[in-house]
Amino acid sequence: EAQVTQNPRYLITVTGKKLTVTCSQNMNHEYMSWYRQDPGLGLRQIYYSMNVEVTDKGDVPEGYKVSRKEKRNFPLILESPSPNQTSLYFCASSLWTGKNSPLHFGNGTRLTVT
Amino acid sequence: RKEVEQDPGPFNVPEGATVAFNCTYSNSASQSFFWYRQDCRKEPKLLMSVYSSGNEDGRFTAQLNRASQYISLLIRDSKLSDSATYLCVVNKNGTASKLTFGTGTRLQVTL
Repeated sequence: EAQVTQNPRYLITVTGKKLTVTCSQNMNHEYMSWYRQDPGLGLRQIYYSMNVEVTDKGDVPEGYKVSRKEKRNFPLILESPSPNQTSLYFCASSLWTGKNSPLHFGNGTRLTVT
Repeated sequence: RKEVEQDPGPFNVPEGATVAFNCTYSNSASQSFFWYRQDCRKEPKLLMSVYSSGNEDGRFTAQLNRASQYISLLIRDSKLSDSATYLCVVNKNGTASKLTFGTGTRLQVTL
């Protein structure tokens, strides 16, 4: 089944403890992106990747890192999580980077940082 | 002014009703437009793209008004299963990297 898989679905951690949220897609998509969703603010882009070894900052990159060593994987790394990173995170991919290529989302990771 | 603005709702409508949502965008150079649907606590899913001439997909009709910088979504004969949040999405520069999401309009269809 074609899908974007994120893990874990739920994560509770403490301030400062490094964590990684994994994202993998099996559709051979070029483009991958991370978003966070907060009440009243909508989905905001954290980082995106146009292809392997090509990553760039989105609108809210502070406190996050990403890597794209393989086409299928795009992990999101929080080196030192803080409570303001408590949010619902979505990974997404699309076949190509053109304007009409629809995004396919993973089913989300709900992160709580205490 | 927000780049993409939507009325958050909720819109409470009876089954069978017709309901319309609008979404305004601030960047006149925006190139493509979409409606996504998001069920509670789930991931967004593409509902439909919005084309300049307007387009229809079953009970759903999307329209674009470039002069006034808004897009609309019309749902006819509402079903209970249409209850969800509808996200307006605007592409600023012609690549997937520059999608801006609205905060969504919540629709609740009741018996």
